[in-house]
Amino acid sequence: NAGVTQTPKFQVLKTGQSMTLQCAQDMNHEYMSWYRQDPGMGLRLIHYSVGAGITDQGEVPNGYNVSRSTTEDFPLRLLSAAPSQTSVYFCASSSHGQSTSLYGYTFGSGTRLTVV
Amino acid sequence: GENVEQHPSTLSVQEGDSAVIKCTYSDSASNYFPWYKQELGKGPQLIIDIRSNVGEKKDQRIAVTLNKTAKHFSLHITETQPEDSAVYFCAASIDLGGYNKLIFGAGTRLAVHP
Repeated sequence: NAGVTQTPKFQVLKTGQSMTLQCAQDMNHEYMSWYRQDPGMGLRLIHYSVGAGITDQGEVPNGYNVSRSTTEDFPLRLLSAAPSQTSVYFCASSSHGQSTSLYGYTFGSGTRLTVV
Repeated sequence: GENVEQHPSTLSVQEGDSAVIKCTYSDSASNYFPWYKQELGKGPQLIIDIRSNVGEKKDQRIAVTLNKTAKHFSLHITETQPEDSAVYFCAASIDLGGYNKLIFGAGTRLAVHP
């Protein structure tokens, strides 16, 4: 009963390096999304996906790529890291349904990324 | 565009007192309003939610009210306890055909002092 698993938990990158933040869920949720959390700014939506093969941009997509080849996985790629991407990143998933409780998001425990 | 404003940014109360956090949303199409609690070093967890066809919902010591006309919704915590100390986020959603794209407020850091 893992829920949403994010790896790694911590990462330090040099400016210009690339990396992929992993996110996997085992609840068969169709909807997955990536948020970044910065002090005083709450959670801002980067990209989201309503199912395998379907992705769309959120509020702050620049500098990030995503793909959704399977229902379970939704990786977030930084092609050329910048100091402005220093943040805590959260992945979340939810299911389709008519009941209010089914709309609730399940969040991962986060990845703390520092770009120097 | 979609926007959610949340106030206050910090809130300090004595144990046993009530705490109220208020949010305002911009998109009249929003129809689902969840509240999340985030403890230090953890991801946000859903604590209560409300849909646009309901004005109030309670769950033990927490309640949420919604004024759809004014585009306001609020979280009320009664008889606060030290373990209620955390960051609380409100959110408003847009229905994407059964899925909800959530837009979050900036968060409220609640401190409950014994």
